[in-house]
Formats: sequence, C-alpha cells, structure tokens
Amino acid sequence: AQSVAQPEDQVNVAEGNPLTVKCTYSVSGNPYLFWYVQYPNRGLQFLLKYITGDNLVKGSYGFEAEFNKSQTSFHLKKPSALVSDSALYFCAVRVYNNDMRFGAGTRLTVKP
Amino acid sequence: DTGVSQNPRHKITKRGQNVTFRCDPISEHNRLYWYRQTLGQGPEFLTYFQNEAQLEKSRLLSDRFSAERPKGSFSTLEIQRTEQGDSAMYLCASSSTSGQPEQYFGPGTRLTVL
Repeated sequence: AQSVAQPEDQVNVAEGNPLTVKCTYSVSGNPYLFWYVQYPNRGLQFLLKYITGDNLVKGSYGFEAEFNKSQTSFHLKKPSALVSDSALYFCAVRVYNNDMRFGAGTRLTVKP
Repeated sequence: DTGVSQNPRHKITKRGQNVTFRCDPISEHNRLYWYRQTLGQGPEFLTYFQNEAQLEKSRLLSDRFSAERPKGSFSTLEIQRTEQGDSAMYLCASSSTSGQPEQYFGPGTRLTVL
C-alpha cells in the first residue's frame, strides 16, 4: 500500500539554524511526493512536490526537499529557520486514484 | 481570492442531528476531494469527484455520510444522525487534471458534536 511515515512527532530548532523534517515513503512505482504546512485552525498549504527530475526540489518560503530513492526518503529542509516557520508539517504521497495519503505530521517549533 | 472556500467554518450540533457542509473549489479545477482530520493526525481521505462523478469512496465513509457535486462545481458533504465520533475538521481540496497534481485545500469546517 502507498504510505508515508514521519518518524518525529516534534522537531525543535533555534532561529537561524538549519532545519530538517523527515519523511519516508512506501510506494509501488514512481512516487508523487508532497509537503504541506498547516497553521492553527487553518487548512493545508502546499509547499513543494517531487514528480520526476532533480532530486532536490525547491518550494515556497525557502523550503526545499531532497528525494532519495535508495533510502525511500523525502526530507524537508531549510537552511535558516524562522520563528514564523513554527507549524505542523505533513508529508504526503499521491495514490493511484489521485487522492493522497498523509503522514501523521511533525510539529516544528523554532525558538528565538 | 480564488482559493478553495468552505462553509461554515465551525458547526456545533447535538448528537443525532444532520449537518451539511459546502465546498467551493478553485473555479478551473475539475477534481474535488473531501478529507477528515482529527486532532494530532494527518488528513484521511473520504471521497473524490471528477466533475460531477463520485469516483472513489473510502471505507471511512459510513452510510451516514453522503457527498454530492451536482453540477461539477461546488460540493456538499452531509452527515446524518451525527455521533460524537464525527467531531473533526472536514477539509475540502481541489486539483486539475490538466495542470499540476498538487491539491489545494480550503480552510476546513470544524464540526463539534455534543
């Protein structure tokens, strides 16, 4: 079955430091992978996606993600975290019928 | 703003009552999805439309749940005889078959069943 896993419930980083939010996937065939961010009482906002091509994809707000086929990972990264990046982050994979399977989410807290 | 909109944003109801939520997708998007999200969890797929056709329904969608998209534009999700376990955030998303595969989400409707 197509699925993603986010092994960390919580990630804490200091403002200005690099951040990484981890995601691993389990899919048959070539995966379509996504990252979304959710602020309190809001819907999900699309950050970036991987379909094919370069393994490093760039998205909104300075975020990027690295697709690693051998490790079946799609980690979200940012070189310098901001306090305003504090939110809930979801990794997702698109399944055959076009809906998406989401991970349980990782709460990112960036401390000043 | 041409994003996905959902109404109402909040709904409080008593157990056993029926509720209906509305979703207006991005106008040029022909695919529309409903998800349910409970606290501390990622969104779970409920159902999906392409134009007016409902193409997929999750096993999570019990007989008390029904969704429609009569003209291929807005959609409604109705829950009959609500139960406390139905309390959740109901999210709607839309995407295009001709464009990029990502889905764009609305702000959600938070349902509380007392």
